[in-house]
Amino acid sequence: SQTIHQWPATLVQPVGSPLSLECTVEGTSNPNLYWYRQAAGRGLQLLFYSVGIGQISSEVPQNLSASRPQDRQFILSSKKLLLSDSGFYLCAWSLTGGVTEAFFGQGTRLTVV
Amino acid sequence: GQQVMQIPQYQHVQEGEDFTTYCNSSTTLSNIQWYKQRPGGHPVFLIQLVKSGEVKKQKRLTFQFGEAKKNSSLHITATQTTDVGTYFCAGSGRSGGGADGLTFGKGTHLIIQP
Repeated sequence: SQTIHQWPATLVQPVGSPLSLECTVEGTSNPNLYWYRQAAGRGLQLLFYSVGIGQISSEVPQNLSASRPQDRQFILSSKKLLLSDSGFYLCAWSLTGGVTEAFFGQGTRLTVV
Repeated sequence: GQQVMQIPQYQHVQEGEDFTTYCNSSTTLSNIQWYKQRPGGHPVFLIQLVKSGEVKKQKRLTFQFGEAKKNSSLHITATQTTDVGTYFCAGSGRSGGGADGLTFGKGTHLIIQP
C-alpha cells in the first residue's frame, strides 16, 4: 500500500532563517507531488506541484521554492523565512493520468517568530 | 481563474441534527471531490463526483453534483460527534492531469454540541 511521510510535524523558526521540509512517498512510482499551505480561514492553497523528477510548477509567487531530487521525494525550501510564511504545510501525492484524489501527509505546522 | 466558494464557513449544530455544506464554482467543473479534515489532522478524501446530477451516499453522508456541474453539496443526516471537522470541496475544470487542476474551497467547519 502507498504511504506518505512528511516531517517535521512542528517547527518554530526565527525570521530570516532557512527552511527545509521533506516529503517522501512509498509504494507507488512516478506520482504527482504537491505542496499546499493552509492558513486559518483560507482553505488549501496550492504552492507547487511536480509531475516528475526535476519538474516543478509554481502556482503563486512567494518566498518559497520546491525541488524533486528523486521520484518520490519532494522538498519545500526557503532561504530566508518571513513572518507571513507561518502556516500549516501539507504535502500530497496523486496518481498520474486523469483527475484522481490527493493523498495528504500529516502536515507541518510552521511558526516563524 | 477558477474560483470555488464554499458556505457556510462555520456551522454549529446539536448532535443529531442534520448538516449541509454548499460548494459553488465560477466555471463548469469536470468533476468535484470532497475531503474531511479532523481537528489537528490532514485532509482525507471522501468521494469524487463526475456526472451531471450525480448523487452518491456513504452511510449518513449524501453528496450531490448539480445538473450544470457548477455546484455541489454534502449533507450529513443525524450528526454525531465523530463528524466534527472541516469539510472541503475541490473542483477541477480539467478532465486530466492529476490534482494540479484542483481548486479547493475554504472549507466548512462543523462544530457539534452534545
